[in-house]
Amino acid sequence: NAGVTQTPKFQVLKTGQSMTLQCAQDMNHEYMSWYRQDPGMGLRLIHYSVGAGITDQGEVPNGYNVSRSTTEDFPLRLLSAAPSQTSVYFCASSRIGSNTEAFFGQGTRLTVV
Amino acid sequence: AQSVTQPDIHITVSEGASLELRCNYSYGATPYLFWYVQSPGQGLQLLLKYFSGDTLVQGIKGFEAEFKRSQSSFNLRKPSVHWSDAAEYFCAVGGGSGSARQLTFGSGTQLTVLP
Repeated sequence: NAGVTQTPKFQVLKTGQSMTLQCAQDMNHEYMSWYRQDPGMGLRLIHYSVGAGITDQGEVPNGYNVSRSTTEDFPLRLLSAAPSQTSVYFCASSRIGSNTEAFFGQGTRLTVV
Repeated sequence: AQSVTQPDIHITVSEGASLELRCNYSYGATPYLFWYVQSPGQGLQLLLKYFSGDTLVQGIKGFEAEFKRSQSSFNLRKPSVHWSDAAEYFCAVGGGSGSARQLTFGSGTQLTVLP
């Protein structure tokens, strides 16, 4: 009953470092997405994917890179971390189609110093 | 563009009192609406969703929400709050050709429950 699994749960990076946040789902969902959560701003969409090999930008894509080589995995890459990327990151997945709901991972708390 | 407004940043209620959390949305077509709850350090859990049909939607943990198209609102209610309901609540509207795609969230309402 794993659902959506994110790793790591916590991470501290230095400015300029790169890292990859991992996201995996075992529900065979076509749609996966990444959000960032900042105080007073709710969750904002970074990137999303409607299937393997297909990705697109959301509301706040700058500084982030994604790829989707399999249905299960949707990693988020920070190429050169900046303090403005300090946030809590959530991965979500859902089926494509009407009357569906998104399932969220537990989040990754990232601090860039 | 779609948007969601949650006018109340923080609400405090006493245990056993009734609760209403406000949500107003802007969306060009029939909206798909959701309420999520987030406990400290946790992910988001779906409380309820509205896709079509009956405008009063029942969810988990005794919550309900009413879709009012004329007011562009989807307020969340609970008749009697429990201490375990203390959390942050997010309203969201779904866009794209599928209801759960490209969710737009409100900024959240933090609920404090007094004993």
